[in-house]
Amino acid sequence: DGGITQSPKYLFRKEGQNVTLSCEQNLNHDAMYWYRQDPGQGLRLIYYSQIVNDFQKGDIAEGYSVSREKKESFPLTVTSAQKNPTAFYLCASSSLAYGYTFGSGTRLTVV
Amino acid sequence: SQQGEEDPQALSIQEGENATMNCSYKTSINNLQWYRQNSGRGLVHLILIRSNEREKHSGRLRVTLDTSKKSSSLLITASRAADTASYFCATDSTSGTYKYIFGTGTRLKVLA
Repeated sequence: DGGITQSPKYLFRKEGQNVTLSCEQNLNHDAMYWYRQDPGQGLRLIYYSQIVNDFQKGDIAEGYSVSREKKESFPLTVTSAQKNPTAFYLCASSSLAYGYTFGSGTRLTVV
Repeated sequence: SQQGEEDPQALSIQEGENATMNCSYKTSINNLQWYRQNSGRGLVHLILIRSNEREKHSGRLRVTLDTSKKSSSLLITASRAADTASYFCATDSTSGTYKYIFGTGTRLKVLA
């Protein structure tokens, strides 16, 4: 079945630690995105990529990094520079003419 | 940056009633989409309506778009308890990028 897979579902980060969230899609979509969602809030765009080896900052890119070495994969690294990383992270992919397909999310908690 | 703003922020109705939620945005768009999010889950795409369309239906869902007022509405008819979720609108820009901006959502609660 075609879809988008995020892992892990839950992730715990210690202070000063970098962690990487995985996002893989087999929909052959060109574009991929990372959003952050805080409780009771909408989605805020962290990074997006329209093609392989190219990505752009969204509205809240500070403290995050991404790579797009393969069309299928768009991992997000939450660095120690992100001072308030506890949130729900959503990855999505899309083709230009249709809506997004979202993963099921990763809940990141700082311990 | 442009953003869809949903209204109301929260809505509580009885099962069987209709639920209407609205979205306003700031700049011209190519299309507008509505998504549903169950608690703690990813978003599910409901409907995409293009800027040259005024109304679209999908099952119990009806979406309207008024580009002159820069607004859209989502109507859920004969609501069910399973419709309890948050609903978001998302707008692109006419610059042709893939990027969509999401609103803050309407939290719908359908009481059995």
